[in-house]
Amino acid sequence: EPEVTQTPSHQVTQMGQEVILRCVPISNHLYFYWYRQILGQKVEFLVSFYNNEISEKSEIFDDQFSVERPDGSNFTLKIRSTKLEDSAMYFCASSGEGQPLHFGNGTRLTVT
Amino acid sequence: QKEVEQDPGPLSVPEGAIVSLNCTYSNSAFQYFMWYRQYSRKGPELLMYTYSSGNKEDGRFTAQVDKSSKYISLFIRDSQPSDSATYLCAMMGNYQLIWGAGTKLIIKP
Repeated sequence: EPEVTQTPSHQVTQMGQEVILRCVPISNHLYFYWYRQILGQKVEFLVSFYNNEISEKSEIFDDQFSVERPDGSNFTLKIRSTKLEDSAMYFCASSGEGQPLHFGNGTRLTVT
Repeated sequence: QKEVEQDPGPLSVPEGAIVSLNCTYSNSAFQYFMWYRQYSRKGPELLMYTYSSGNKEDGRFTAQVDKSSKYISLFIRDSQPSDSATYLCAMMGNYQLIWGAGTKLIIKP
């Protein structure tokens, strides 16, 4: 069964550094998402992406965050200047039209 | 009032028991209802997906949606220790997926 894949599984970075989290969505999906989950807390929506542009974003997704679909397969989340509170699991998801989201296994981001 | 309410548990039951997990919601615009299972340090895995009121069955899992009461349930029959995980309900009315808090389920052998 096709799946969403994310790399790396764990990223450690120093505060103030830029990180790029990578995702390969399911190939025929059209909608792409990033969510995060701080340890022990709820899954939180960050951003949705469709037709090469952001369709919706949450208040968490401020100017430090950006998303890109640089080619036909990858979907990336960039955090420009990481803060300690950015430490979380970041999940990529994709879906077809009117279909439920399928999630990757996440990237654990640790900001020190 | 939160848009989606879900008891975080933990819910501990003996192996073989029938498990009932529930969520209530307030937004009548929700159209899609999903149950995800999340193991520790893993991404949410889609278990069941329903669009309308009624029941949907898949193996040991049954999802139930009651739109008039704004209430959804997930039943697990013949529960196994491998079912121990956090179960999250989720609902969608537009692009955004609204999550419940997740219920931690423990199946005791």
